[in-house]
Amino acid sequence: IAGITQAPTSQILAAGRRMTLRCTQDMRHNAMYWYRQDLGLGLRLIHYSNTAGTTGKGEVPDGYSVSRANTDDFPLTLASAVPSQTSVYFCASSDGTGSGADTQYFGPGTRLTVL
Amino acid sequence: GQNIDQPTEMTATEGAIVQINCTYQTSGFNGLFWYQQHAGEAPTFLSYNVLDGLEEKGRFSSFLSRSKGYSYLLLKELQMKDSASYLCAVIENDYKLSFGAGTTVTVRA
Repeated sequence: IAGITQAPTSQILAAGRRMTLRCTQDMRHNAMYWYRQDLGLGLRLIHYSNTAGTTGKGEVPDGYSVSRANTDDFPLTLASAVPSQTSVYFCASSDGTGSGADTQYFGPGTRLTVL
Repeated sequence: GQNIDQPTEMTATEGAIVQINCTYQTSGFNGLFWYQQHAGEAPTFLSYNVLDGLEEKGRFSSFLSRSKGYSYLLLKELQMKDSASYLCAVIENDYKLSFGAGTTVTVRA
């Protein structure tokens, strides 16, 4: 059982470069999420998708884009990376039942450094 | 919007009990989660409360008071492996999770 996988595990990127973080889940979950985690700030939602074909903006969407072509994959793209996007990025998924008990399960994270 | 507060750090001795408090002010409420996160790893689900009262799961218990906007996570019989960050998260009317900054618990021998 893989659950949620993310790639790459870590990456050092030059400012201005384009980067796509990959996320794949094999739990057939409807909903998927991207968070960034910064020291002292906790996890902040970047973008989400309630079901394949739909996406929405979270708390900190600027500079990021997502797509959800199918149930399993939810890539996050930084079109032109800036140093403030240095962070640990977590992908998560949930059943997406629309109930309060919809537990999110997290991938192992991608540590991104933008120089 | 949301405001979720929890202490930054706590230290306790192996075998002891630690209580991590979380207070929240949100525009809507559909439940509260606690997650555990070891350093360099992903958050993992611990508990979910939506009704007032105490939920017990082995050494871990979680309490909720909706009227007070307050929850706590109680860790009993502390073990060294319990050293981790504990994240309080509230699910609001739009069913999105809002996280507190986390409490780092250090267990000492």
